[in-house]
Amino acid sequence: DQQVKQNSPSLSVQEGRISILNCDYTNSMFDYFLWYKKYPAEGPTFLISISSIKDKNEDGRFTVFLNKSAKHLSLHIVPSQPGDSAVYFCAASARTDKLIFGTGTRLQVFP
Amino acid sequence: DTGVSQDPRHKITKRGQNVTFRCDPISEHNRLYWYRQTLGQGPEFLTYFQNEAQLEKSRLLSDRFSAERPKGSFSTLEIQRTEQGDSAMYLCASSPLEGLRTDTQYFGPGTRLTVL
Repeated sequence: DQQVKQNSPSLSVQEGRISILNCDYTNSMFDYFLWYKKYPAEGPTFLISISSIKDKNEDGRFTVFLNKSAKHLSLHIVPSQPGDSAVYFCAASARTDKLIFGTGTRLQVFP
Repeated sequence: DTGVSQDPRHKITKRGQNVTFRCDPISEHNRLYWYRQTLGQGPEFLTYFQNEAQLEKSRLLSDRFSAERPKGSFSTLEIQRTEQGDSAMYLCASSPLEGLRTDTQYFGPGTRLTVL
């Protein structure tokens, strides 16, 4: 049972435009959500998080939106840069604190 | 701040051999987690420690797997009698314990295991 889903395996965006990565979850007990970025042969790097008491969190070019009623969150990157090309993982946790990850979305930012 | 470190970065072994991986968390982080990632999947939880106590183990962690964190600092993950299905990236993460709720988990670079 996939509790965290990233339905788009890949996304291609032109440099300078907005990248929008989506994530859906099924477990209503999840109360903390994170986005990680991963390059090949490296561990995931933390990008941004959001608690379920908020619906938006912003950090520089990265903004995460949470829609609890739809059990949906999204990561917006604007403007997109070539260095943003990587695999992005959405993760969620409940009070047990282990992270449940989606399968990832590969973002490619082209000039 | 040196971040989470893992050793070795790569390990190639023959089926049936035992392997051991080490993880050094960010200093002062109480919690330490092990995850496994296979191709095309996100990381999957294996087990975690709060200080030296192992608090939860996933059903993915068969009897051939054992993890320790003897002094509440570094941790080791041992796989006995390795099988080809054990080939994966093994990731370690740590997080601080703030009040009753832990915060963001920070990952190490991982150990890539290949079982021939």
